[in-house]
Amino acid sequence: EAQVTQNPRYLITVTGKKLTVTCSQNMNHEYMSWYRQDPGLGLRQIYYSMNVEVTDKGDVPEGYKVSRKEKRNFPLILESPSPNQTSLYFCASSPGRSNTEAFFGQGTRLTVV
Amino acid sequence: SQELEQSPQSLIVQEGKNLTINCTSSKTLYGLYWYKQKYGEGLIFLMMLQKGGEEKSHEKITAKLDEKKQQSSLHITASQPSHAGIYLCGADRDGGSQGNLIFGKGTKLSVKP
Repeated sequence: EAQVTQNPRYLITVTGKKLTVTCSQNMNHEYMSWYRQDPGLGLRQIYYSMNVEVTDKGDVPEGYKVSRKEKRNFPLILESPSPNQTSLYFCASSPGRSNTEAFFGQGTRLTVV
Repeated sequence: SQELEQSPQSLIVQEGKNLTINCTSSKTLYGLYWYKQKYGEGLIFLMMLQKGGEEKSHEKITAKLDEKKQQSSLHITASQPSHAGIYLCGADRDGGSQGNLIFGKGTKLSVKP
């Protein structure tokens, strides 16, 4: 089954404790992205990647890092999480052609206390 | 940079009533996507529109892209409780960046039985 898998689904952590949210897709897609969703602000892009070793900042990259060492994986790293990074995070992948739908993971709800 | 504005922000309708959600872009749309999200869950792809004047339907949901390609509407006929959720429009950022999407802030739909 074609899917984008994120882990964990839920995470509560403390300020400053490094964490990684994993994302994996099994569709051989070139494009992968990370978004965060907050009430009243909608879905905002954090980082995206056009292919292995090619990443670029989205609209809200501060406080996040990503890497794309393999085509299927695109982890999101929070080196020193802060409470303002409490949010619902989504990973997405797409084939990389214009006018093709993106596939989304089920989301990771992160709470930083 | 391109922005998508959705209206209304929220909508409460009686079961069986029709409704329309609008998505207006600050720039020409080269690919417009409609997604549905159940609260706190992942995004489900509904439809993609590419050409000005294009109209697509799936079950009781119809989406249109206007001729000038700067606005899309999503129309639900005879709404049901299963239609409740958040509807998001998305677009290829700044004219077809191959899977790099921006989104509107979403329209929250509630359907009263």
